[in-house]
Amino acid sequence: QVTLRESGPVLVKPTETLTLTCTVSGFSLSNSRVGVSWIRQPPGKALEWLAHIFSNDEKSYSTFLKSRLTISKDTSKSQVVLTLTNMDPVDTATYYCARTPSYYYDGSGQRVIYYFDYWGQGTLVTVSS
Amino acid sequence: DIQMTQSPSTLSASVGDRVTITCRASQSISSWLAWYQQKPGKAPKLLIYKASSLESGVPSRFSGSGSGTEFTLAISSLQPDDFATYYCQQYNSYSLTFGGGTKVEIK
Repeated sequence: QVTLRESGPVLVKPTETLTLTCTVSGFSLSNSRVGVSWIRQPPGKALEWLAHIFSNDEKSYSTFLKSRLTISKDTSKSQVVLTLTNMDPVDTATYYCARTPSYYYDGSGQRVIYYFDYWGQGTLVTVSS
Repeated sequence: DIQMTQSPSTLSASVGDRVTITCRASQSISSWLAWYQQKPGKAPKLLIYKASSLESGVPSRFSGSGSGTEFTLAISSLQPDDFATYYCQQYNSYSLTFGGGTKVEIK
């Protein structure tokens, strides 16, 4: 049974760094095709993809937030960690981790992530002083 | 980044109605499109991938169609469990993007 579970602080102050952990079970982070992304959703708003990590440790980031994001994984602990620096109230959102079952190569040879077949329950992070 | 535009943003319908939701991409994405259903306080659930492939366990009343820049999610006969918000997502480029969502409400 595939599960993902997010953990981290519920409240952070402006300018602080957010660190979230996604603990997975039912699949291995070393599986050659599977990967994990982070996605967020501000209250009442749409979903926004943030970052992805592939099994070989290759990373992919949102164009808009690339300078503030870092994604990493610890395969032995089945964990994927996301850090987002310089938090602002507009970063208040529910943060989800989600699994992608595979990827493909586009015409330029870049890996493109698939859809998300399993999601964690999400964790609400509020940014306020 | 590829922009995804959903319409309508809100849809009022009754149980048993056939409903359709449209998703338009700012450039061609071939068939690299997924649809999700999200209920309040819950994570999204995958319904359709590759524009028209039904995810395992999803009722057959859901169907997807389209390619290029225009896509449709259809629910053939709306059930009480289907009142939710629906999102499309493109995976044609490495920077994934979602549509703004369509809320299906009870009429």
